Amino acid sequence: NAGVTQTPKFQVLKTGQSMTLQCAQDMNHEYMSWYRQDPGMGLRLIHYSVGAGITDQGEVPNGYNVSRSTTEDFPLRLLSAAPSQTSVYFCASSVTGSRETQYFGPGTRLLVL
Amino acid sequence: SQQGEEDPQALSIQEGENATMNCSYKTSINNLQWYRQNSGRGLVHLILIRSNEREKHSGRLRVTLDTSKKSSSLLITASRAADTASYFCATDAAGGTSYGKLTFGQGTILTVHP
Repeated sequence: NAGVTQTPKFQVLKTGQSMTLQCAQDMNHEYMSWYRQDPGMGLRLIHYSVGAGITDQGEVPNGYNVSRSTTEDFPLRLLSAAPSQTSVYFCASSVTGSRETQYFGPGTRLLVL
Repeated sequence: SQQGEEDPQALSIQEGENATMNCSYKTSINNLQWYRQNSGRGLVHLILIRSNEREKHSGRLRVTLDTSKKSSSLLITASRAADTASYFCATDAAGGTSYGKLTFGQGTILTVHP
């Protein structure tokens, strides 16, 4: 199993551009989530999904959209990038929810100029 | 706001010494988890302790949980240079509105000198 994969590894955007961060898992996990990690801030939850077709907001959802059309994939969309969205983004999954071991992807470094 | 707060923010020790990191949280929890992050990498799960457990061991790791004080500690015994990493606690808050949300602390940066 590849586990949780994320693409791209690194991306540079200009302010106002849009992009999609990809996340996929091959463990048949129902629960998937997106975090951003900023220096000194730990990880903050952006959005999460408890199954295909079901998503909900986390702590810092503004500026981000998600959808979950399949169990495997959970893309994160930035509609109009801002410098404040410069961060490292991590995707995670678990069998059914936040009360279990989370399996993290390697992360995507995003720089917004 | 962050549910978990870790202390100290940074810890520097010699190989062979023990390392203790603490985590405090604000609301009732279902469980508390500890993760490790090597520089530039994703997080790796270390141990999960449920709210009705007081202590848990895994190899050189020992985790304690005191729900009355809303705090947990992670002890790494006989540390090695390879233990150099950031360590995070994460809490799953009890209560319906918190379902599905795992909240991470700011982390402790551990440096183990050979």
